[in-house]
Amino acid sequence: GEDVEQSLFLSVREGDSSVINCTYTDSSSTYLYWYKQEPGAGLQLLTYIFSNMDMKQDQRLTVLLNKKDKHLSLRIADTQTGDSAIYFCAESEFGNEKLTFGTGTRLTIIP
Amino acid sequence: DADVTQTPRNRITKTGKRIMLECSQTKGHDRMYWYRQDPGLGLRLIYYSFDVKDINKGEISDGYSVSRQAQAKFSLSLESAIPNQTALYFCATSDGEGSGNTIYFGEGSWLTVV
Repeated sequence: GEDVEQSLFLSVREGDSSVINCTYTDSSSTYLYWYKQEPGAGLQLLTYIFSNMDMKQDQRLTVLLNKKDKHLSLRIADTQTGDSAIYFCAESEFGNEKLTFGTGTRLTIIP
Repeated sequence: DADVTQTPRNRITKTGKRIMLECSQTKGHDRMYWYRQDPGLGLRLIYYSFDVKDINKGEISDGYSVSRQAQAKFSLSLESAIPNQTALYFCATSDGEGSGNTIYFGEGSWLTVV
């Protein structure tokens, strides 16, 4: 079946850029997503990218997709304390009917 | 008010007991999902429903059942709870249009089985 992998932890100094990486195995993935989960809260969709794109930028967020290597990354510019959360990568073959999630990366901001 | 509401938010139950988690949504979406979150494992799909009375098994359906009697409601049941079902459970909804900005998650239900 599909597999989505992420590192479990990332620590970044406040003001630096954070780069969260994700790899996936399903070559039929059509949509790739980044979700943010703050403590005690549900998942919030941050951004998504279609598999025929290689980059998407939205304010401080930049998503890069290397379809050949099945590698997705999320860059957060000027990381702030409010960015502390768990970030999940997810993929879907037919849109959002069924998402396969990665393990989540816990981003910790160092003052 | 939240678009996707889960009840209860927290529950402790004993092994062997039946427990139901309920989910209601005000989005008018046809598609609803139950996910389970475990540390280090991300979210895994338990069951999903594309319409009233439509039920489909997800990745980890064993030990669970669901009911979709109305468009706005999707309930998850553990007929005989066991400790390894201790987890955070999320309900989600989508309109199924295939775009990435139309899936909504509830705030989660913490279930502890002792």
